Amino acid sequence: ETGVTQSPTHLIKTRGQQVTLRCSSQSGHNTVSWYQQALGQGPQFIFQYYREEENGRGNFPPRFSGLQFPNYSSELNVNALELDDSALYLCASSLVVLGQGAHEQYFGPGTRLTVT
Amino acid sequence: AQSVTQLDSQVPVFEEAPVELRCNYSSSVSVYLFWYVQYPNQGLQLLLKYLSGSTLVKGINGFEAEFNKSQTSFHLRKPSVHISDTAEYFCAVSRVSSGSARQLTFGSGTQLTVLP
Repeated sequence: ETGVTQSPTHLIKTRGQQVTLRCSSQSGHNTVSWYQQALGQGPQFIFQYYREEENGRGNFPPRFSGLQFPNYSSELNVNALELDDSALYLCASSLVVLGQGAHEQYFGPGTRLTVT
Repeated sequence: AQSVTQLDSQVPVFEEAPVELRCNYSSSVSVYLFWYVQYPNQGLQLLLKYLSGSTLVKGINGFEAEFNKSQTSFHLRKPSVHISDTAEYFCAVSRVSSGSARQLTFGSGTQLTVLP
């Protein structure tokens, strides 16, 4: 069974640029959530995708957007990068069956984004 | 909305000593509770979870946690720590709901350092 993978591992961008981060969910999972972890802080929920539709969003501006593909992999796009966007971006996948269970989330290793 | 407070940002402890990492939460609705561990330059790994039933939950690597509803706490314990337990530990909650947007709300983390 393949776990959650993310690419790239590290990324350096300049303020104002755009970036795309990628996540491959664990085999059999249908839901992907994205989290931002700033240095020295806990992860913060950005949004979640369930069966290719956004299904829940945290307190992040619209320049943070995403996609989920038919194979349940996902992308996180950030436009007009700001210095404060520098963080570890974590992807987590889960198998959601509506009305059942707590939907344990399995995390990938993250992408470290540095904005200069 | 939910919030999580981890009362200690850093906990140093000698090898083979017991340890307790404290977590308190606030929520107007019922929640599930989780502890995750993050090793340097890695993603999050689930240690244990409380969904319902017995308030004492056992997890991996010899960790356990006790859910105390009246004190809204979910403290993590281990009777004897090893050097390899040195890591960042995060307490997290998610709402109990039938919907699929089970976002996790994390605390700010506790750095456990095991000293030889």
